Amino acid sequence: DAGVIQSPRHEVTEMGQEVTLRCKPISGHDYLFWYRQTMMRGLELLIYFNNNVPIDDSGMPEDRFSAKMPNASFSTLKIQPSEPRDSAVYFCASSTGTGRGYGYTFGSGTRLTVV
Amino acid sequence: GNSVTQMEGPVTLSEEAFLTINCTYTATGYPSLFWYVQYPGEGLQLLLKATKADDKGSNKGFEATYRKETTSFHLEKGSVQVSDSAVYFCALSEKNAGNMLTFGGGTRLMVKP
Repeated sequence: DAGVIQSPRHEVTEMGQEVTLRCKPISGHDYLFWYRQTMMRGLELLIYFNNNVPIDDSGMPEDRFSAKMPNASFSTLKIQPSEPRDSAVYFCASSTGTGRGYGYTFGSGTRLTVV
Repeated sequence: GNSVTQMEGPVTLSEEAFLTINCTYTATGYPSLFWYVQYPGEGLQLLLKATKADDKGSNKGFEATYRKETTSFHLEKGSVQVSDSAVYFCALSEKNAGNMLTFGGGTRLMVKP
């Protein structure tokens, strides 16, 4: 398995532009998570899905952020409009929710810079 | 609720030194425990795990023992290398919480030659 695949690896955009981050989870995993990592705030859970359905989006900073999972093999995180304070590394992770001891598999992340 | 507390970093060691990174947890049930490692520019990777009391997880020379009586899961390595420089995250999950991971704040390890 190729693991969790995120694209792009790096994104530089101007303030006010729309940004879309993409994630392909591991086949068969029924949970998908979006995290944001910054030096100031560490690792923050933004939203997670179970069987393509958003379960908890309480970590989404504001209405400028939205996430979708149209099918079991694809998810997007969109920021519109983007602001400099959105600059961070965004990680996607997937997992199976059954049994004990199943951790998450993380993607390599998307480093977003908003100028 | 559940929580994980790790020692604050950075931890700076010389090559071949002994490493301990402390981790303690609070859980409402009987969690599984994990250590993740994040190398520079990469995502988090599962380093080791333990699913029941007194289990020892081990990988790449790292070890951690699930201590229910002290609610701890300290990470140890007998002889660190420069390549071990990374950020280490302790985490727990509980089946009755949908196996959601609760992460500690991370501890940065710097190993000098």
